[in-house]
Amino acid sequence: NAGVTQTPKFQVLKTGQSMTLQCAQDMNHNSMYWYRQDPGMGLRLIYYSASEGTTDKGEVPNGYNVSRLNKREFSLRLESAAPSQTSVYFCASSERGQGYNEQYFGPGTRLTVT
Amino acid sequence: GNSVTQMEGPVTLSEEAFLTINCTYTATGYPSLFWYVQYPGEGLQLLLKATKADDKGSNKGFEATYRKETTSFHLEKGSVQVSDSAVYFCALSGNSGAGSYQLTFGKGTKLSVIP
Repeated sequence: NAGVTQTPKFQVLKTGQSMTLQCAQDMNHNSMYWYRQDPGMGLRLIYYSASEGTTDKGEVPNGYNVSRLNKREFSLRLESAAPSQTSVYFCASSERGQGYNEQYFGPGTRLTVT
Repeated sequence: GNSVTQMEGPVTLSEEAFLTINCTYTATGYPSLFWYVQYPGEGLQLLLKATKADDKGSNKGFEATYRKETTSFHLEKGSVQVSDSAVYFCALSGNSGAGSYQLTFGKGTKLSVIP
């Protein structure tokens, strides 16, 4: 039982390049999330998927797109990377979206955009 | 909107010292409250939670009580260990509507425990 897995662990991009961050969970959770973590800012929600087939914007969605490929997988795409997107990205999942459900986090992807 | 304010770090303590990390929140209704911990190089993991007023969450010697009258959820541990060195995040989640899907995090408090 791997929990939440993310690939890649590290990535360096040049401004304007695109890439997709992959996330998968094996806990049969309905809801999945993408966060970014910046120094002194805590974590901020980029997008979430309450259930398979639905996605919604979070606090900081600009410059990102997401795809809920199936119940297990939720990917985050940067179409044209910018230095402001240098951050650590975390994927998370929860059984349901209600607030009292624990969110389980992946190990993160450290992205640098030069 | 919802917000979480937690004490600035970093915090450095000697082993076996008492720990308090303050957390206050602003939210409508009755949010659920959480403390998450992040060890170096890892993702966040839930440390404890409380879903209604006066609930006490506890785990691994850590405790926090949901105080609605003071809108606070302070984290405490009576005797810290070197292995407790990590970044601690206070968070809240709404209990209804679209907000229930979102965790609002504080900025994190880095704790270092020295032998």
